Amino acid sequence: QSVLTQPPSASGTPGQRVTISCSGSSSNIGSNYVYWYQQLPGTAPKLLIYRNNQRPSGVPDRFSGSKSGTSASLAISGLRSEDEADYYCAAWDDRLRGVVFGGGTKLTVL
Amino acid sequence: EVQLVESGGGLVQPGGSLRLSCAASGFTFSSYWMSWVRQVPGKGLEWVANIKEDGSEIYYVDSVKGRFTISRDNAKNALYLQMNSLRADDTAVYYCARSFDYSSISHWGQGILVTVSS
Repeated sequence: QSVLTQPPSASGTPGQRVTISCSGSSSNIGSNYVYWYQQLPGTAPKLLIYRNNQRPSGVPDRFSGSKSGTSASLAISGLRSEDEADYYCAAWDDRLRGVVFGGGTKLTVL
Repeated sequence: EVQLVESGGGLVQPGGSLRLSCAASGFTFSSYWMSWVRQVPGKGLEWVANIKEDGSEIYYVDSVKGRFTISRDNAKNALYLQMNSLRADDTAVYYCARSFDYSSISHWGQGILVTVSS
């Protein structure tokens, strides 16, 4: 059971906007930055969003992150087939003294 | 370009030991926190441990405390994970990762498989 809670699956059609939620607590999301990672099939994870809403260079602006209280969200607009992947949220947990991940959300582009 | 290349994985019997290495290049290794993260095939990500730039601060997930030791050699641009008393549930792909700071991960290696089985 993961410390951060994500829906196991999400889906959308090309061009749609989808959001993936990540729920935590005051010891993790509530007091620390949230990070999002994309893992394409058979590959290592890749940083998608850092410090709640910042995009690394090279990440399209179709991807955006937000945080409110003890929850965070990843939004993907203009959905494309190549966005089909697993998405993970992560944050530092002050009580556990470690990085905690969500269980991952498998995004399917219909 | 940041490059992280893991080595040292393989098959080991329960109760055995293994040492993973990570060769880093493309950045000033001694200026960054480094981490190990693992993933059981088909499952989610689990952070294992991280280490401060100079090795003076280290954190572990509870399930590996007392069994795993993270270390680094800044002169060799290398990160290590000594894994002792290995159990079947340690079977996973282990990723070497660079961090922004103690609380995050920014870059990932390609991963290396560790299988604990008799």
